[in-house]
Amino acid sequence: EAGVTQFPSHSVIEKGQTVTLRCDPISGHDNLYWYRRVMGKEIKFLLHFVKESKQDESGMPNNRFLAERTGGTYSTLKVQPAELEDSGVYFCASSQVWPSIEQYFGPGTRLTVT
Amino acid sequence: RKEVEQDPGPFNVPEGATVAFNCTYSNSASQSFFWYRQDCRKEPKLLMSVYSSGNEDGRFTAQLNRASQYISLLIRDSKLSDSATYLCVVTPANTNAGKSTFGDGTTLTVKP
Repeated sequence: EAGVTQFPSHSVIEKGQTVTLRCDPISGHDNLYWYRRVMGKEIKFLLHFVKESKQDESGMPNNRFLAERTGGTYSTLKVQPAELEDSGVYFCASSQVWPSIEQYFGPGTRLTVT
Repeated sequence: RKEVEQDPGPFNVPEGATVAFNCTYSNSASQSFFWYRQDCRKEPKLLMSVYSSGNEDGRFTAQLNRASQYISLLIRDSKLSDSATYLCVVTPANTNAGKSTFGDGTTLTVKP
C-alpha cells in the first residue's frame, strides 16, 4: 500500500512569491492533516480535513495560507505571498476514521523562502 | 508552559542499555497518546500508541498515567538503530479531531 506522498520535496522561493504544496494521502483515508516544523521548534498543527471539509483550521498562521481538498482526495496548501518566516518543513498526514486514528506522515516539503 | 513537555535530552547511551523517556501533557481532556520516532530529516513514524493499561512491543514499553498526565517510553537492550528523536504526541478526545500536539522531542544516540 502506498504511503502519504508530498510534492515537491524541496522548494526555494523568494519572498513575495507563491508556492503550492501538494499532499496525496493514503487511499481510503478520509482524514488529512497539515503540520509545519519551523527550525528549532516543535511540529505544529495547521489544519485538518475530513474528506473535503475543513474540520479544524485553527492552526493556520494567517490568511496568506490557503488549503484545499477538492473531491476529498489530494490536498494543496498555497502560501501567497510567502514571507521569510514561512520557511520550514511542511508535513502532511492522513488517518482513517474511527476506530483507528493513528496518523501516517508524508516525507514533508522543505520550504525555504529567501 | 507548553501543552506537551518532554525530557530535553539528549540521551547518549551504550548499546544494550535501558533508557526511559518522560512526557507530560497539560490538557486533561486529552484521550489519545502516541510515541513517534523521527530520524534526521525524515518524517515522523508511528512507534506505538499508548494505552492506560500500558503496552509493550518487543523492546519498547509505553505507559500512561492519566491522573498525573504523564506518559513514558522505555527502551530495553538499546540498539544502534534506535538512535533517533522520539516525539510524544497527544490528541483530543473527539474521535475525529486531528489537532495533535507534539512535544519538542527527545534525541537518543546509542553508541557502540
